[in-house]
Amino acid sequence: GESVGLHLPTLSVQEGDNSIINCAYSNSASDYFIWYKQESGKGPQFIIDIRSNMDKRQGQRVTVLLNKTVKHLSLQIAATQPGDSAVYFCAENRAGTALIFGKGTTLSVSS
Amino acid sequence: DAGITQSPRHKVTETGTPVTLRCHQTENHRYMYWYRQDPGHGLRLIHYSYGVKDTDKGEVSDGYSVSRSKTEDFLLTLESATSSQTSVYFCAISEGGGRTDTQYFGPGTRLTVL
Repeated sequence: GESVGLHLPTLSVQEGDNSIINCAYSNSASDYFIWYKQESGKGPQFIIDIRSNMDKRQGQRVTVLLNKTVKHLSLQIAATQPGDSAVYFCAENRAGTALIFGKGTTLSVSS
Repeated sequence: DAGITQSPRHKVTETGTPVTLRCHQTENHRYMYWYRQDPGHGLRLIHYSYGVKDTDKGEVSDGYSVSRSKTEDFLLTLESATSSQTSVYFCAISEGGGRTDTQYFGPGTRLTVL
């Protein structure tokens, strides 16, 4: 069935590097995407979202890029810090249906 | 944390016993959700509510029931807990008020069924 997925289950980076976490989606009707961060023992935390009428959206140290042609979503974290270590997952919304969540990428930041 | 609390935060119970988890919100949001999170499966929707006494099933609703008698409280009940229901349960709300809006999550309840 159709689902939101991530390219890599784990990503390891050095402190200060830029991190890129990827997500592929399969339904071209999806029109809203969200990135969440989940730290160990906590609930998912909203990071940033983007609607399908945009290609890029920036937040504080984070940027989400949407490529509708190849149905690809990415989260860029600038100057990655140890506190960024967590599981990141994307969620996809198709009009009229509930959010569909991907399985997540574990980001490990070493200092 | 969008004013969401869950209780209990941890629970260990035995197979066949009833269990009720509570989600409480302080900001009067219309939509509330129950998810379970398991390794390899991500977040899966169990049930959701779109108002007092208005609920509907999600992807993995078998073995679960819900109730919402007040806007602020959404209860998840396992009538007869099974080991396959060992999981972390998250409650969420839609801040925008719609089912397809951004969802914000509570801290979770870790349930172990022995």
